[in-house]
Amino acid sequence: NAGVTQTPKFQVLKTGQSMTLQCAQDMNHEYMSWYRQDPGMGLRLIHYSVGAGITDQGEVPNGYNVSRSTTEDFPLRLLSAAPSQTSVYFCASSYSFRGLYGYTFGSGTRLTVV
Amino acid sequence: AQTVTQSQPEMSVQEAETVTLSCTYDTSENNYYLFWYKQPPSRQMILVIRQEAYKQQNATENRFSVNFQKAAKSFSLKISDSQLGDTAMYFCAFMKGNNAGNMLTFGGGTRLMVKP
Repeated sequence: NAGVTQTPKFQVLKTGQSMTLQCAQDMNHEYMSWYRQDPGMGLRLIHYSVGAGITDQGEVPNGYNVSRSTTEDFPLRLLSAAPSQTSVYFCASSYSFRGLYGYTFGSGTRLTVV
Repeated sequence: AQTVTQSQPEMSVQEAETVTLSCTYDTSENNYYLFWYKQPPSRQMILVIRQEAYKQQNATENRFSVNFQKAAKSFSLKISDSQLGDTAMYFCAFMKGNNAGNMLTFGGGTRLMVKP
């Protein structure tokens, strides 16, 4: 049972390059989300999805796109990388049912934009 | 919108002693959940403890307990008998109840160092 799998774990990009951070979960969770972690600011929500085909913006969506064609996958696309996007990115999946919930984070991707 | 504030960027404690990490939050919601997450150097996000706002009893998980003061909007974490393995970043987080997407709002974190 892999949980939430993020790839790659590390990436260096040049300014202006594009790339996709991959995220996959095998728990059949309905919700998935992307957060970025910056020093002193905790984790901030970029985009989230409440089901296949449904996505919405979080607190810091600019410069990122997402799609959710299947329950399992929720890739995050950087359209034109900027140094301000240097961060650690976490994907998470979760469910809620009658007040019970489960929340699982991936192991993170450290992205450096030079 | 909710905000979560952790006023202690760094703390240290001697092994076997007790330490308390502070967290305050601001919300107009009545139905919500609060969490403490631990992030060791491995970057993994590990749930330490959770508290439902409707529960008056403070949550406890082994050496970890919280002091939940709903009126004051305060949610502190107490770690008893600190161990070297408790060295990590600790994040306080808020989640609104009945929240499609289970979106979390995090504080800025407290870096805890346990000294031998």
